[in-house]
Amino acid sequence: KNEVEQSPQNLTAQEGEFITINCSYSVGISALHWLQQHPGGGIVSLFMLSSGKKKHGRLIATINIQEKHSSLHITASHPRDSAVYICAVRVMNYGGATNKLIFGTGTLLAVQP
Amino acid sequence: NAGVTQTPKFRILKIGQSMTLQCAQDMNHNYMYWYRQDPGMGLKLIYYSVGAGITDKGEVPNGYNVSRSTTEDFPLRLELAAPSQTSVYFCASALGVAGVSDTQYFGPGTRLTVL
Repeated sequence: KNEVEQSPQNLTAQEGEFITINCSYSVGISALHWLQQHPGGGIVSLFMLSSGKKKHGRLIATINIQEKHSSLHITASHPRDSAVYICAVRVMNYGGATNKLIFGTGTLLAVQP
Repeated sequence: NAGVTQTPKFRILKIGQSMTLQCAQDMNHNYMYWYRQDPGMGLKLIYYSVGAGITDKGEVPNGYNVSRSTTEDFPLRLELAAPSQTSVYFCASALGVAGVSDTQYFGPGTRLTVL
């Protein structure tokens, strides 16, 4: 079992729909990152969070540390949101936060007009 | 700022050849990373560096070498290319404040094929 699991693997939505992508992890973490990978391959960091909720434009990320779960929400989705969304966690060990990021395999989102 | 730059964008190697993937950042970041991305798999950490002169292995270091002689540059060396090293390689950097997990900035990637 992967230490970081994302669901769904693939998601097709109609423009305007509310979208949720989920990430569950099984290790102790100091932070969780959400990344966006465009069809051309470039990777952009969307959020980094260690508790609660963050919002940027139409994107909202939440994390529940006790349940080891995070969600990425997209409101009023648009075709330009079509991309792969990747969850990554920064592992915490006995010495504290490490430099190790473990990545999920990504969720491929297609938003149709 | 150019951010994180990588060269080349694409490369085809024959088995046994060697090459260096270049990575540079102009943000004065302390931390730099090399990842590989295989189809259907999450990114895997190859090597990372927390500052000039300091490097350490990640999850999948075999077949690769790195050096960090300056803050700006973090080249990745493949000595004897193998088909298993066919992948997309991403370099990333982060400011790297001690004890703080901070945002990583990614380069555009290098698509490498070993035949």
